[in-house]
Amino acid sequence: DAMVIQNPRYQVTQFGKPVTLSCSQTLNHNVMYWYQQKSSQAPKLLFHYYDKDFNNEADTPDNFQSRRPNTSFCFLDIRSPGLGDAAMYLCATSREGGAYGYTFGSGTRLTVV
Amino acid sequence: GENVEQHPSTLSVQEGDSAVIKCTYSDSASNYFPWYKQELGKRPQLIIDIRSNVGEKKDQRIAVTLNKTAKHFSLHITETQPEDSAVYFCAAGSGTYKYIFGTGTRLKVLA
Repeated sequence: DAMVIQNPRYQVTQFGKPVTLSCSQTLNHNVMYWYQQKSSQAPKLLFHYYDKDFNNEADTPDNFQSRRPNTSFCFLDIRSPGLGDAAMYLCATSREGGAYGYTFGSGTRLTVV
Repeated sequence: GENVEQHPSTLSVQEGDSAVIKCTYSDSASNYFPWYKQELGKRPQLIIDIRSNVGEKKDQRIAVTLNKTAKHFSLHITETQPEDSAVYFCAAGSGTYKYIFGTGTRLKVLA
């Protein structure tokens, strides 16, 4: 089935140790997003790609970076994770055109110790 | 910028009753309004959406209404079942490839 796959489902990292989360999609969607979701809160957009065009949200910390080497893959790099970065990280895709719903991946739950 | 308010934050209903969740948005250019259901520990899933050229859309027990003049839209769930228990998020977008989410409503259906 076409879908959005995130790996790993659970990630434990040490305070300050760089970590990379991955997302792949078989939907051939142009747009890919990274959201951060903390407990009982709405997903918060970190950045999105339209094809290779990168769009950063103004309040996304510099500690967060992203790469999209091709249509299918997108990575979230956290350069120096802090305790406040513990959250669920959701990858999503959508078709171009803007007026379509997202398809979310299952998420990666990040724990910082 | 766009702001989406969602009410109530929690909602408990008896099984078989109806549930209504309301959202208001600030950007008059918004033209797409999806609703997502998120069960505990799982991904948000799109359950219904509406575009600005219609006022109501229905899919079995779920319906969404849109009032563009008042800038609000609502999710209606009829004949609620325990499996409807989840957090529901509304969102609003204007075709710029990103949507602003509401703060979520935790719906609990009591058996």
